[in-house]
Amino acid sequence: RKEVEQDPGPFNVPEGATVAFNCTYSNSASQSFFWYRQDCRKEPKLLMSVYSSGNEDGRFTAQLNRASQYISLLIRDSKLSDSATYLCVVNRPPARFGAGTRLTVKP
Amino acid sequence: GAVVSQHPSRVICKSGTSVKIECRSLDFQATTMFWYRQFPKQSLMLMATSNEGSKATYEQGVEKDKFLINHASLTLSTLTVTSAHPEDSSFYICSARDGSPRGEAFFGQGTRLTVV
Repeated sequence: RKEVEQDPGPFNVPEGATVAFNCTYSNSASQSFFWYRQDCRKEPKLLMSVYSSGNEDGRFTAQLNRASQYISLLIRDSKLSDSATYLCVVNRPPARFGAGTRLTVKP
Repeated sequence: GAVVSQHPSRVICKSGTSVKIECRSLDFQATTMFWYRQFPKQSLMLMATSNEGSKATYEQGVEKDKFLINHASLTLSTLTVTSAHPEDSSFYICSARDGSPRGEAFFGQGTRLTVV
């Protein structure tokens, strides 16, 4: 079993849609959690950290459930510019990446 | 946020030659750096953890004699791909932690290696 598992995707949604990504991790000793965004052939960039209390940054909401070892990312009112691959990252450390979920937002 | 600089961004080399990739933390000291490899349409896979002043820790299946890692200072780690083969062609990315409690990782720009 992989240490970090993500929805396989791809997700193809229209502009304005709400889309949710899920991620599970297997190591209960993991310390911190993140969502990264990776555009084609570029390095990953931090989108947001994930906390048990849940955190929101504009149209993005992230949630962590330690008991279920589950992380989620919700994108509301999706924009064309949201098209990218979203990586779930679990930091033990070191950081381990999920395989990524490809999102395409269409006009 | 913290800045990690990786060089070169793109390199093409002949089979059998060696290639060195540098990773520098520009505005913080990184006692630990990480090297990842990403094949097309796959996730980033951790290759090794590089600790300043000591030997790197390699993940299972990564040949330490082929992928030489040196972390001689708190701001510089290097990855040398020795005797490169076409199957080593990949996207190599380094990351460094800034020492904060949450352990956020900052990434270099990545190096696309093509072995011909």
